[in-house]
Amino acid sequence: QSVVTQPPSASGTPGQRVTISCSGSSSNIGSDYVYWYQQLPGTAPKLLIYRNNQRPSGVPDRFSGSKSGTSASLAISGLRSEDEADYYCATWDDSLTIYVFGTGTKVTVL
Amino acid sequence: EVQLLESGGGLVQPGGYLRLSCAASGFTFSSSAMSWVRQAPGKGLEWVSAISGSTGNTYYADSVKGRFSISRDNSMNTLYLQMNSLRAEDTAVYFCAKGDRSSGWDLWGQGTLVTVSS
Repeated sequence: QSVVTQPPSASGTPGQRVTISCSGSSSNIGSDYVYWYQQLPGTAPKLLIYRNNQRPSGVPDRFSGSKSGTSASLAISGLRSEDEADYYCATWDDSLTIYVFGTGTKVTVL
Repeated sequence: EVQLLESGGGLVQPGGYLRLSCAASGFTFSSSAMSWVRQAPGKGLEWVSAISGSTGNTYYADSVKGRFSISRDNSMNTLYLQMNSLRAEDTAVYFCAKGDRSSGWDLWGQGTLVTVSS
């Protein structure tokens, strides 16, 4: 049972904006950076966002991250068919001294 | 080329052991923090273990503590995961990943499948 929760699914039509939430606590999201990963079917995860809102080079600016208190979110604007994937948030938990992944959100492009 | 390549997965009986390897190339391995992350069939990602680049400090998920051991050979640019007392619930694809709390895991291997079954 993960201590960081995400909605199991999200969807939108091409061009729409989709937002995924990531809810934790003061010992994890509330006190450390949040990262976001995209996992296309049958592939390894890919880093989308680090340090809450930073994009690695090569990640389109359609992807943006934010954090407030014990929650974070990932927004995908201008949704495209190739964005159909599983998305995971992750962070460090200071009291458990472990990394934790969110429960994951499957994004479907309708 | 900057890459991570895992090996060592396979079929093992409950109670058995395996050692996974992750060969790194194209970056300064010795100063890089590394982790193992696994994904059971049809399930989400689960962080397993991490080792720091500089101090060699190690960290483990509760689910593997006391059974798994992470280590590194900086002369061989290789990360290891020694897995003992394997259980059916350890069945998963195991990924190695480079990165830490500052950078996130910015480089991943392709994964190696571990199946624990009699």
